[in-house]
Amino acid sequence: AQTVTQSQPEMSVQEAETVTLSCTYDTSESDYYLFWYKQPPSRQMILVIRQEAYKQQNATENRFSVNFQKAAKSFSLKISDSQLGDAAMYFCAYRSAQWGNTGNQFYFGTGTSLTVIP
Amino acid sequence: NAGVTQTPKFRVLKTGQSMTLLCAQDMNHEYMYWYRQDPGMGLRLIHYSVGEGTTAKGEVPDGYNVSRLKKQNFLLGLESAAPSQTSVYFCASSTQALYSNQPQHFGDGTRLSIL
Repeated sequence: AQTVTQSQPEMSVQEAETVTLSCTYDTSESDYYLFWYKQPPSRQMILVIRQEAYKQQNATENRFSVNFQKAAKSFSLKISDSQLGDAAMYFCAYRSAQWGNTGNQFYFGTGTSLTVIP
Repeated sequence: NAGVTQTPKFRVLKTGQSMTLLCAQDMNHEYMYWYRQDPGMGLRLIHYSVGEGTTAKGEVPDGYNVSRLKKQNFLLGLESAAPSQTSVYFCASSTQALYSNQPQHFGDGTRLSIL
């Protein structure tokens, strides 16, 4: 099974500054999808950004962008101009694009808790 | 759009009691999942389903059963609740992987406490 590793259990950032959350994954597949989810104290799981492995261009969504390094199997999330509302737990997730068992499941990291300091 | 709806949102049980968590989705998704979330352990897959009438075990299936009699519903049962099953439970749904980069859509979670 694929594994997803988030090596930073906790991170903090000053309001308006930039922070990068790291994620690495282990796979032998060439085609897959990667996601970042945000979980605020309300407990909702909110999709932040997604990346297709076949795309070389890094995905961006407003203040959120990723640094996707396929060869290094790295998928970091950069949050620019951090806001108080960005404080949350962030999860990285992997999904195979293939049929069968590998494509049925999403694999999640253990999460990074982000604190935004006013 | 309702998306994924979980009921109940909170529940307290005594050890040995049984209960069923209900998940309903209105997006016509083929796949549905049940996770539990515990501090420091992220999301762990309990069971999942790739279609009506089919279920499969995930990472931590022991002590749980599931059923998917209708495409839109996925039920998680605890036959004899144990304190180790105290957790937050999430249901999610998604389309098939081959055709889509669509993510999982999550319910709002159920906080379950076993005394």
